[in-house]
Amino acid sequence: GNSVTQMEGPVTLSEEAFLTINCTYTATGYPSLFWYVQYPGEGLQLLLKATKADDKGSNKGFEATYRKETTSFHLEKGSVQVSDSAVYFCALQRSNDYKLSFGAGTTVTVRA
Amino acid sequence: GAGVSQTPSNKVTEKGKYVELRCDPISGHTALYWYRQSLGQGPEFLIYFQGTGAADDSGLPNDRFFAVRPEGSVSTLKIQRTERGDSAVYLCASSLTGGGVIPHEQFFGPGTRLTVL
Repeated sequence: GNSVTQMEGPVTLSEEAFLTINCTYTATGYPSLFWYVQYPGEGLQLLLKATKADDKGSNKGFEATYRKETTSFHLEKGSVQVSDSAVYFCALQRSNDYKLSFGAGTTVTVRA
Repeated sequence: GAGVSQTPSNKVTEKGKYVELRCDPISGHTALYWYRQSLGQGPEFLIYFQGTGAADDSGLPNDRFFAVRPEGSVSTLKIQRTERGDSAVYLCASSLTGGGVIPHEQFFGPGTRLTVL
C-alpha cells in the first residue's frame, strides 16, 4: 500500500538556520507529492506540491524536489524565521486516486 | 471566499454517547473528505464523497461511524456509542472534484477536536 515516512521531530533551530525535513514514500505508479503545514492554532494548509518526477515545488522560501530514483521529497529552507514554527506533513496521492496518505508530521520550532 | 468550516470546534462527550460533527465545504466543490488525526500522528483517511454518495468509506474504523451528505454540500460525521479511543481531531476537506491524473488541491477545515471522557 501507500506509505510516507518522514523525519521524526521535534526539530529546534535558531533563526536563519538551514532546515531540512526528510520524506520518503512507498507507492505504486507515479503519485503526486505534497508538503502540508499546520501553524499553531490553525488548520492544515498546502505548502507546496510536485506532480511528476524531477518537479520542484516551492513556496514561501521552501523547496522540495520529487526524486523518483530515491522515492524522496525532502523539504528545505535556507533561512528559517520564527514564523516558520509549525508541524510539517509530507503526503502523497496516487494518480486517479482521491485520498491523501500522510506522514506522522515533524514539529519544527525556530528560536529567535 | 469562505473556506471549509467545521462545527463545533471542540466537543467533549461521555463514553457511550452519540455525537455529530458538521462540515461545510467550499461552495462548488463536489468532492468532500473526512480524515481523523490522532495526537502526534498525521491525518488518516476515513471517507470520501463525490456529490451525495459515499464513493469510498473504507477508512471508517467500524460500524459505529457513519457519514452523510444528503444534498451534495454539507456533510455530517456521526459516531454512535463513543469510546475513549475515538478522541482525536476530525478534519474535513473539500476539492473541486475527486481523483484525476493530477488531483485537485484538497482544502482543509480547522477540525473538530473530540474528547471522549
